[in-house]
Amino acid sequence: GAGVSQSPRYKVAKRGQDVALRCDPISGHVSLFWYQQALGQGPEFLTYFQNEAQLDKSGLPSDRFFAERPEGSVSTLKIQRTQQEDSAVYLCATLDSRGRILTGELFFGEGSRLTVL
Amino acid sequence: EDKVVQSPLSLVVHEGDTVTLNCSYEVTNFRSLLWYKQEKKAPTFLFMLTSSGIEKKSGRLSSILDKKELFSILNITATQTGDSAIYLCAVRETSGSRLTFGEGTQLTVNP
Repeated sequence: GAGVSQSPRYKVAKRGQDVALRCDPISGHVSLFWYQQALGQGPEFLTYFQNEAQLDKSGLPSDRFFAERPEGSVSTLKIQRTQQEDSAVYLCATLDSRGRILTGELFFGEGSRLTVL
Repeated sequence: EDKVVQSPLSLVVHEGDTVTLNCSYEVTNFRSLLWYKQEKKAPTFLFMLTSSGIEKKSGRLSSILDKKELFSILNITATQTGDSAIYLCAVRETSGSRLTFGEGTQLTVNP
């Protein structure tokens, strides 16, 4: 696609529900990142994939958070038993890891805004 | 742990003013510093800086890095209302691809 696409754009969940957030990367971009951005804060790193391999998941805040990218393209971030503190915008970003990493140009999606009641 | 601190956190100016946004960092193995602009959507890339003292410029925006003092500034001259956004600073280590972001500076340009 032309850009990084995320869905849903907005999600309201009741505390305790499970949610799944989807990221469709730019075609051919091998590196994919998930970031969490709370209100008034900068994005916080969650996890990183190179193709289908999850190379770094050190930013996932708890074992309720799980991410996958089984075919090296679309990625899903799943949050189980959501809590109010999970309310944030979840940003997906990609780059092709060949030329772009030299310019630093991460391409961000518009994010999925999760509100947990 | 990498740390990025931006100041001010919030800034309100009038059109035509010049602003300077600050970013200081602590990182073990510095590779690059990046600036992003975030309006009510995805952050968009502005600059990447790797070397001290070399100014990057794009229109009314410019940025410079001081690796000795561990900071960068982003200047915007002749501000316009369309410059209103959150400006994010991020650093990347040599060991990986992840970016560590600061809290951002919320810039509001009033007509």
